Amino acid sequence: KQEVTQIPAALSVPEGENLVLNCSFTDSAIYNLQWFRQDPGKGLTSLLLIQSSQREQTSGRLNASLDKSSGRSTLYIAASQPGDSATYLCAVDRGSTLGRLYFGRGTQLTVWP
Amino acid sequence: DGGITQSPKYLFRKEGQNVTLSCEQNLNHDAMYWYRQDPGQGLRLIYYSQIVNDFQKGDIAEGYSVSREKKESFPLTVTSAQKNPTAFYLCASSMEAGEAFFGQGTRLTVV
Repeated sequence: KQEVTQIPAALSVPEGENLVLNCSFTDSAIYNLQWFRQDPGKGLTSLLLIQSSQREQTSGRLNASLDKSSGRSTLYIAASQPGDSATYLCAVDRGSTLGRLYFGRGTQLTVWP
Repeated sequence: DGGITQSPKYLFRKEGQNVTLSCEQNLNHDAMYWYRQDPGQGLRLIYYSQIVNDFQKGDIAEGYSVSREKKESFPLTVTSAQKNPTAFYLCASSMEAGEAFFGQGTRLTVV
C-alpha cells in the first residue's frame, strides 16, 4: 500500500521567507505526484502536477521537484505572502491503479505580516 | 465555467437516515472519486469510478453506496450502516492518469 508522509505538520513564518515543504512516499511506482492547497472549510485547489518522467514543475512562485527513486518531493515557495496561508497537501497515485490518489496529512502553513 | 459542483454545502443527518450527496462535473472526465476528510487525517478514498456503469470500492467503502449512470454525475449515499458519518466529503474527477480536480466539499453532521 502507498503511504505518504508530509513534514513539517505545521509551519509559521514571517512574510518574505522562502519555504520548503517535504513529501515522501513508500512505493516509487507512481505515475503522477500532485500538490494541492486547501483553505479552511474549502475543497482542494490543484497547484502543480509532476509526471513520473519529469523532475520538476514551476508555477509563479511555486516550484515542485520529484525524485522518484528516493520517493521524495519538495514544494518550494518563494517570497511567501500572508495569502499563502493554507494547508498544503501532497498526493501520489500508484502505477497499478491510475487516477486514485494517496494523500499525506498536509502541512499547515501560516505566513504572518 | 468548467468544474465540479458538490451539493449541498452543509447536510444534517438524523440517526438511521440515509442521505445522498451530489457531485456533478462538466469537464468531460472519465474518472470520478469520493474522498472523506477527518480532522488531522489525510483524505481517504471511499469509492471511485473510471467509466459509466462501473465503480470500485476504495479503502473505506463500508456504509456507503454510489451509482454512475451518467458520465457527469457520481452521487454518494451515506447509509444508516455508516456509524460515524460526520466528516467533510470531497468529490474529484480526472482523465485517466491526469490531473485531479476537486469540488468545494459537503460537510455532513449527524444530529
